[in-house]
Amino acid sequence: NAGVTQTPKFQVLKTGQSMTLQCAQDMNHNSMYWYRQDPGMGLRLIYYSASEGTTDKGEVPNGYNVSRLNKREFSLRLESAAPSQTSVYFCASSEVDRINTEAFFGQGTRLTVV
Amino acid sequence: AQSVTQLDSQVPVFEEAPVELRCNYSSSVSVYLFWYVQYPNQGLQLLLKYLSGSTLVKGINGFEAEFNKSQTSFHLRKPSVHISDTAEYFCAVTPSNNRKLIWGLGTSLAVNP
Repeated sequence: NAGVTQTPKFQVLKTGQSMTLQCAQDMNHNSMYWYRQDPGMGLRLIYYSASEGTTDKGEVPNGYNVSRLNKREFSLRLESAAPSQTSVYFCASSEVDRINTEAFFGQGTRLTVV
Repeated sequence: AQSVTQLDSQVPVFEEAPVELRCNYSSSVSVYLFWYVQYPNQGLQLLLKYLSGSTLVKGINGFEAEFNKSQTSFHLRKPSVHISDTAEYFCAVTPSNNRKLIWGLGTSLAVNP
């Protein structure tokens, strides 16, 4: 059981380049999330998808786009990378049909924009 | 609006000593509470959770937490820590009316020999 799988694990981009971070979960969860983690700032929600076909902005959506391709996959795209987007990105999923909203996380993508 | 405050950003402690990581929350509705742990260079994983019932909850790796509704707190404790407990610990709450996870900023636990 793989859980939540993110690719790539590491990436270096030049300012202005674009890239897509991939995320897939095999737990049949409805909800999926993209977070960024920066020192001293905890986890900040970029976008989330409550169910297949829906996406909503989180706290820090500027400079990002997302696609909920199907129930399993939720991708995050940086159209024109900026140094301020240097961060560790985490994808997560959860089942929010029940009280228990435990989130399951991927291993993270370390992105450096130079 | 709801919020979560982790009162200590860093907690240094010696091996085999007890530790308490503090978490307070603010919410006008009832909440569900979580502690997550993040080991170096890894994703987060659930340590324990409070949904209802007994206010003392036990989690993995010998950790426990107590929900105190009057003080709006959910402090995490371990009676004797190991080097391997060195990690970042995050407190999170889900308000009962919107199901969104609200995160604290994390507490870095450093266990020294």
